Amino acid sequence: GEDVEQSLFLSVREGDSSVINCTYTDSSSTYLYWYKQEPGAGLQLLTYIFSNMDMKQDQRLTVLLNKKDKHLSLRIADTQTGDSAIYFCAESIAGTYKYIFGTGTRLKVLA
Amino acid sequence: NAGVTQTPKFRVLKTGQSMTLLCAQDMNHEYMYWYRQDPGMGLRLIHYSVGEGTTAKGEVPDGYNVSRLKKQNFLLGLESAAPSQTSVYFCASSLAGGPDTQYFGPGTRLTVL
Repeated sequence: GEDVEQSLFLSVREGDSSVINCTYTDSSSTYLYWYKQEPGAGLQLLTYIFSNMDMKQDQRLTVLLNKKDKHLSLRIADTQTGDSAIYFCAESIAGTYKYIFGTGTRLKVLA
Repeated sequence: NAGVTQTPKFRVLKTGQSMTLLCAQDMNHEYMYWYRQDPGMGLRLIHYSVGEGTTAKGEVPDGYNVSRLKKQNFLLGLESAAPSQTSVYFCASSLAGGPDTQYFGPGTRLTVL
């Protein structure tokens, strides 16, 4: 079956790095995404990685993909209070309408 | 470009009332989706559309109907609202299906009393 799992909460101090983890089950996924949801707002795409890549870096964001373990992580360097939000991991299934979302990880950044 | 817009932003209904949520996108996307977001459950797909005039059921379609008469609009209807439909509803669109990126609207918070 298809499932995407994330831990529910993460708390870090301002200036530290945050690592948000995600595991997925569908091996036919093509892209894996990270979305950010701020309070009262919709999901905003942060970054994505193609399933044949191992790593992608985009400014303060680093995405690591371990295909063998079906594990995806998002590292935020120098975490700021503005990074406090819910982060969703998602995968898309090639050639279909399906986008499967995790339950979201609530990141709290302490000043 | 406004992207994906949703109306209304908030709504309170009584059990048994009906309402329609409107989603509009100006990106000429073929695919459109309605999700509901409940605490601890992530996003669950209600209905989706792969083009004008077509709709299909998602994971949790019961109690909802949809229509896609125009490519840019996707309507979600609740014929007889129930408290279990209290949720935040998100519309999304994508150029095609996977792996194209989905773009989300700001959401509609619906409370059914």
